[in-house]
Amino acid sequence: GAGVSQSPSNKVTEKGKDVELRCDPISGHTALYWYRQSLGQGLEFLIYFQGNSAPDKSGLPSDRFSAERTGGSVSTLTIQRTQQEDSAVYLCASSATAGLVEFFGPGTRLTVL
Amino acid sequence: SQQGEEDPQALSIQEGENATMNCSYKTSINNLQWYRQNSGRGLVHLILIRSNEREKHSGRLRVTLDTSKKSSSLLITASRAADTASYFCATDANSGNTPLVFGKGTRLSVIA
Repeated sequence: GAGVSQSPSNKVTEKGKDVELRCDPISGHTALYWYRQSLGQGLEFLIYFQGNSAPDKSGLPSDRFSAERTGGSVSTLTIQRTQQEDSAVYLCASSATAGLVEFFGPGTRLTVL
Repeated sequence: SQQGEEDPQALSIQEGENATMNCSYKTSINNLQWYRQNSGRGLVHLILIRSNEREKHSGRLRVTLDTSKKSSSLLITASRAADTASYFCATDANSGNTPLVFGKGTRLSVIA
């Protein structure tokens, strides 16, 4: 594809359920980022993958959040035992250059009831 | 804590006027980037300015950087209704391979 894609575009779940959010970065991009954005707020960094290096997980808000990137391409962000405060738009971005964060996906809007 | 802080939080102007948004940050940086976001979804990268640059242009956009004041400004000239969006600055701290830290953004409304 031409850009970063994310799925699903919208996800509504019940409190306590697990969810998986997927990001397909631009082919060949070694850097992949996850951010989340609550209503009317700026972007909150979650996790950063760069090539084969260990990911920077410093932004994950709790141990209920985890992410992996398989084969240096697709990434999955998993939220276990979702809480209402997890409701936000989850944005993925990829870049060929570390630190540039050039291409964002459309985001997944997560609503936890 | 937020590294970049934009001001004003909201700005409303008439079409054709210039819009200026400011960003302040706290620590030394490698680069500062500006993004636009429409409809609360994906962000579009507008421009990157490096710490050793003072001004950069791209079309109707002009970005300045003052590292002594730890601030940047984004100027949109001859604004159009289509420029209505939220604008964010983002910085990467000058301490290794760190992720970008975004501010809360300026909501720009351009009235036709």
